[in-house]
Amino acid sequence: NAGVTQTPKFQVLKTGQSMTLQCAQDMNHEYMSWYRQDPGMGLRLIHYSVGAGITDQGEVPNGYNVSRSTTEDFPLRLLSAAPSQTSVYFCASSYRRLTSGNTIYFGEGSWLTVV
Amino acid sequence: AQTVTQSQPEMSVQEAETVTLSCTYDTSESDYYLFWYKQPPSRQMILVIRQEAYKQQNATENRFSVNFQKAAKSFSLKISDSQLGDAAMYFCAYRNPLRSNTGKLIFGQGTTLQVKP
Repeated sequence: NAGVTQTPKFQVLKTGQSMTLQCAQDMNHEYMSWYRQDPGMGLRLIHYSVGAGITDQGEVPNGYNVSRSTTEDFPLRLLSAAPSQTSVYFCASSYRRLTSGNTIYFGEGSWLTVV
Repeated sequence: AQTVTQSQPEMSVQEAETVTLSCTYDTSESDYYLFWYKQPPSRQMILVIRQEAYKQQNATENRFSVNFQKAAKSFSLKISDSQLGDAAMYFCAYRNPLRSNTGKLIFGQGTTLQVKP
């Protein structure tokens, strides 16, 4: 099935633990990105990638790490979880060029709670 | 840097009535995309409508239409004949122009729409 797959959907972490949020797409999209959503702040960009082997920081990159070894996968790593990283995380992907026939696809979101 | 502002944290509308959600943005670019996304309680991000900046005609999708004022950098969403299923959080978003080669989306803070029966 075409689309963006995010796992896990729910996760509870203890402060200091590390974990990886997985994101995969099967549409051969060049662009992939991670956002976090906090109340009253909309979605903010954490990291993004314009192709395999190329990543860059977004608006709120601290405490997160990414890599893009393949076109399909773009995992987000929390290095040492903090309560401030409690949020809903979204992965998104798209072609470099948007046309009338394509759009930006979002995963279903991952709820992360750090206690 | 580009910014997107939604100045209405909450709006309410009576079922079958019309409501307009406001969005303003700031950019120095002349070519870009603007989007409205709907986010129901499930948190799924659903594309409602999008507008290419080079198109002067306002985009329309069934009961949803936009008023795109490029000079004023305004991009409002009008929902006609509001339905209970329209109740959700709505986000306005901006995407960098093609040549910047990043694909980043910049979101507003969101507007929660309540639909009253």
